[in-house]
Amino acid sequence: AQKITQTQPGMFVQEKEAVTLDCTYDTSDPSYGLFWYKQPSSGEMIFLIYQGSYDQQNATEGRYSLNFQKARKSANLVISASQLGDSAMYFCAMRGFSGAGSYQLTFGKGTKLSVIP
Amino acid sequence: GAGVSQSPRYKVAKRGQDVALRCDPISGHVSLFWYQQALGQGPEFLTYFQNEAQLDKSGLPSDRFFAERPEGSVSTLKIQRTQQEDSAVYLCASTIQGGSYNEQFFGPGTRLTVL
Repeated sequence: AQKITQTQPGMFVQEKEAVTLDCTYDTSDPSYGLFWYKQPSSGEMIFLIYQGSYDQQNATEGRYSLNFQKARKSANLVISASQLGDSAMYFCAMRGFSGAGSYQLTFGKGTKLSVIP
Repeated sequence: GAGVSQSPRYKVAKRGQDVALRCDPISGHVSLFWYQQALGQGPEFLTYFQNEAQLDKSGLPSDRFFAERPEGSVSTLKIQRTQQEDSAVYLCASTIQGGSYNEQFFGPGTRLTVL
């Protein structure tokens, strides 16, 4: 079984500042992947960034970076230079790669980020 | 190119009615997933298809929920005798293939409200 915990229901950040959204996970899979998705008020899920459990370096995608600490089972998302358009729900998710079966994502409850002008 | 599309975008049903929700995945995508997202929660897995085969339906909450993908492309999620607790956004996602890392591309969802 896999579990994702996002402990921050809501976060505020000043425009142009950086913000960290927390995510911890639990899994018995030795090999797994961690994802972050953004969900604006329009409802679509937008993929932001991916980190594999065996990746040596933290993932980065433009203004997004993932602070992956495997021993602590954390995969925090860092957004640099926040923009007003970053205001949305952010979901951390994971999937396991070992064993048979499907490849569904397990999501956390999300963090609502509000960027203040 | 076209993304994942879902229809209808909004559906209001009276309790006890049957509903059918449609998902058109990205052309050529082998794997298709259905998720249910209750208000204020993250999406939860319902079922998974690889081509036309339903390989995992462990997330379907009851036998009132049924999904099919007969030709390996379009999928339909059917809910029989809807109940108020079925009210949620139903998200469909597709990927090129099932194994290893593959980004799941999500559709806009269908918001179901059961009165």
